[in-house]
Amino acid sequence: RKEVEQDPGPFNVPEGATVAFNCTYSNSASQSFFWYRQDCRKEPKLLMSVYSSGNEDGRFTAQLNRASQYISLLIRDSKLSDSATYLCVVKNTNAGKSTFGDGTTLTVKP
Amino acid sequence: GAGVSQSPSNKVTEKGKDVELRCDPISGHTALYWYRQSLGQGLEFLIYFQGNSAPDKSGLPSDRFSAERTGGSVSTLTIQRTQQEDSAVYLCASSLGPEGPLSYEQYFGPGTRLTVT
Repeated sequence: RKEVEQDPGPFNVPEGATVAFNCTYSNSASQSFFWYRQDCRKEPKLLMSVYSSGNEDGRFTAQLNRASQYISLLIRDSKLSDSATYLCVVKNTNAGKSTFGDGTTLTVKP
Repeated sequence: GAGVSQSPSNKVTEKGKDVELRCDPISGHTALYWYRQSLGQGLEFLIYFQGNSAPDKSGLPSDRFSAERTGGSVSTLTIQRTQQEDSAVYLCASSLGPEGPLSYEQYFGPGTRLTVT
């Protein structure tokens, strides 16, 4: 079993749709969680950190469920520019290596 | 300000040759990471440097891979006797601070696309 697993995707949605991605992690000692975005043939960039209480940034909402060991990303009112691969990232300590999921690809269509 | 830079951007080499990939992290960032990404796949952790501490080499796939970081700044990833399965994009990232929130965000370079023929 992979340490970090994501929805296989791809997700193809119309503009304005709401879409949710889930990610599960196997190490219960994991402490830090993030969502990164990677555009085609580009480097990953931090989208948002995921806090225990859940957090929102505009149209994006991230949730953490420690008991079930999963995190989620909700995108409301999808835009064409949201088309990308979304990577779930888990760190087991405040420093040190990060484990990336394989990513979920989102395509938003007109 | 300047971001993470990597060179070369593309490298084509023959099987069996050695290659060196370079990473210049953001100035002042004490943590440096190397990953590789094969086509359509996620990022595979290779090695992590933090300040003057011994690097975490747990992700290096074989003894043909090595990396060093000189003076706490520039890092070089060396692949000896390259094989076709080494073909991938090699990404470098850096982050600020040894721990705590400042260490969370990793800033990635544009990557080096390595093709072994």
